[in-house]
Amino acid sequence: GDSVTQMEGPVTLSEEAFLTINCTYTATGYPSLFWYVQYPGEGLQLLLKATKADDKGSNKGFEATYRKETTSFHLEKGSVQVSDSAVYFCALTKNSGGSNYKLTFGKGTLLTVNP
Amino acid sequence: DADVTQTPRNRITKTGKRIMLECSQTKGHDRMYWYRQDPGLGLRLIYYSFDVKDINKGEISDGYSVSRQAQAKFSLSLESAIPNQTALYFCATSDRLGIGQPQHFGDGTRLSIL
Repeated sequence: GDSVTQMEGPVTLSEEAFLTINCTYTATGYPSLFWYVQYPGEGLQLLLKATKADDKGSNKGFEATYRKETTSFHLEKGSVQVSDSAVYFCALTKNSGGSNYKLTFGKGTLLTVNP
Repeated sequence: DADVTQTPRNRITKTGKRIMLECSQTKGHDRMYWYRQDPGLGLRLIYYSFDVKDINKGEISDGYSVSRQAQAKFSLSLESAIPNQTALYFCATSDRLGIGQPQHFGDGTRLSIL
């Protein structure tokens, strides 16, 4: 079945450091890929998405590129802030057939940014 | 006001009790979902509904039931709660049209069963 693997945390960085959170997936066909963020005490919010190979999703300084050849969707940010401290989830959904509703999530990566 | 509202936000109850978690949305979406989140396990799908007359089991539906009372309302019930149902529960919605439609989440209900 479909699966998403993301780097285990926790990840601790200093403010203004470069961030990479790795995400790889296993899925048949051409899924859409997402990064969600969960701030403390809140639900998941969509951070960015990409729906086809070589697409780059971006939002709030975060970027991720859909790499079909490596089945990856790594999240990056050039300079993190304390306010970026949260749990980050990589996820996919299929774009065809009977599974085009189902979100498959990775287990989440806790990021802590220190001043 | 939040687009996806869950009530209650927190609940502590005892083993064997019946519990209902409620979800309402103002996004006008047809599709609604219930997930549970456990530390280190990510989110797992309990039930989903594509419209008022359509209810489907997710990957972990045992011990749960749902009701879709209207397009905007989707409730989750635990008929006889047990401690391993202690978790954070999320409701989500999505539009049915288009590729790569994201899901929109409520703020969650933290449920503790003693």
